[in-house]
Amino acid sequence: GENVEQHPSTLSVQEGDSAVIKCTYSDSASNYFPWYKQELGKRPQLIIDIRSNVGEKKDQRIAVTLNKTAKHFSLHITETQPEDSAVYFCAEMNTGFQKLVFGTGTRLLVSP
Amino acid sequence: DTGVSQNPRHKITKRGQNVTFRCDPISEHNRLYWYRQTLGQGPEFLTYFQNEAQLEKSRLLSDRFSAERPKGSFSTLEIQRTEQGDSAMYLCASSLLGYGYTFGSGTRLTVV
Repeated sequence: GENVEQHPSTLSVQEGDSAVIKCTYSDSASNYFPWYKQELGKRPQLIIDIRSNVGEKKDQRIAVTLNKTAKHFSLHITETQPEDSAVYFCAEMNTGFQKLVFGTGTRLLVSP
Repeated sequence: DTGVSQNPRHKITKRGQNVTFRCDPISEHNRLYWYRQTLGQGPEFLTYFQNEAQLEKSRLLSDRFSAERPKGSFSTLEIQRTEQGDSAMYLCASSLLGYGYTFGSGTRLTVV
């Protein structure tokens, strides 16, 4: 099935804190998991992605972890900054369906 | 060629009118996707092309919606007999082999 659950729907943190967003998927054939950041009125932009042969991937303050057994993956942002405030979407794809299915989004607010 | 281009950026139309949107993908990308996004939701898949072939259409896509990608380059999305429920942001994305979508800025449709 094509279903991605994303939590929380909103997340408020203080500048410098860490933020974690979690997604759960249902299709065991899913093998590609990107994360997108969408600022107000702008296009979604890819910030990090992971494939199913990898358990964790880092890019500076951003990391994604994948647990294929439990069918969930998470976005971790450390040392948050006000400019990290945006809506974040997880997505998943399996090569059989050939398209991304998106979660419902998490609105992250980083307060100075 | 710096990204995915969509036109127009905004479209206001009266209920019952037809509208057409255009998407110009990144030139070396062979896949082109159309998504719809409503306020507070993640992008919802509509259809996608590999080169000029339309490979999948969402079950949610009524027969009022049609998309083309002549010659495997730009794509058009037409909505006939628009309804108020069609009001949304229509996003186009392109990719090479399905990974790392690049989104356009979208066309915001308002049906009055």
